[in-house]
Amino acid sequence: DQQVKQNSPSLSVQEGRISILNCDYTNSMFDYFLWYKKYPAEGPTFLISISSIKDKNEDGRFTVFLNKSAKHLSLHIVPSQPGDSAVYFCAASGGRTSGTYKYIFGTGTRLKVLA
Amino acid sequence: DTGVSQNPRHKITKRGQNVTFRCDPISEHNRLYWYRQTLGQGPEFLTYFQNEAQLEKSRLLSDRFSAERPKGSFSTLEIQRTEQGDSAMYLCASSLVAGGANDGYTFGSGTRLTVV
Repeated sequence: DQQVKQNSPSLSVQEGRISILNCDYTNSMFDYFLWYKKYPAEGPTFLISISSIKDKNEDGRFTVFLNKSAKHLSLHIVPSQPGDSAVYFCAASGGRTSGTYKYIFGTGTRLKVLA
Repeated sequence: DTGVSQNPRHKITKRGQNVTFRCDPISEHNRLYWYRQTLGQGPEFLTYFQNEAQLEKSRLLSDRFSAERPKGSFSTLEIQRTEQGDSAMYLCASSLVAGGANDGYTFGSGTRLTVV
């Protein structure tokens, strides 16, 4: 069963506009969420995180929003730049409750920022 | 510290052969994870260690797979009698978990396995 879902396999956005990447999860025990960015032939790199006690976290051009009641999170990139073109994965963990700190990853969304 | 290091970067092997991958985590990290990623999928959890103890194994990890982390430092992942379905990118990650705090993972660049 896919506990973390990214239903949009790809997204194209014009440079300078906002990119919004979505992620849904099914396990209400998840309490910590991450976004990773992955370029071809490289491992994923950490982008931004959010704890379930918050509903928003910002870091520069990147903002993550968490809607616990809807079990939905989104990553906003403003303004989008061509260098942001990559595959973005969301990941969820039930660390505080399960103690494993094992992350479950979605299938990814390929973002293409057009110059 | 140069981050998480994985060797080799690429491995091509014939079906039925054994292969071993190595991961050197960030030195102060106490947790080490192995994931597998196939085309079009996100990383899938295989197993993880806290120090030298292997605390969880996915049912994806058949009896042909074994992982070790002697002395709680580097880790190896061995696949015996490889099959074409084992072809994937094998990712290692490490993290520091202390006092209930939960840092994200730092991933290595992965080992791409091709079984022919």
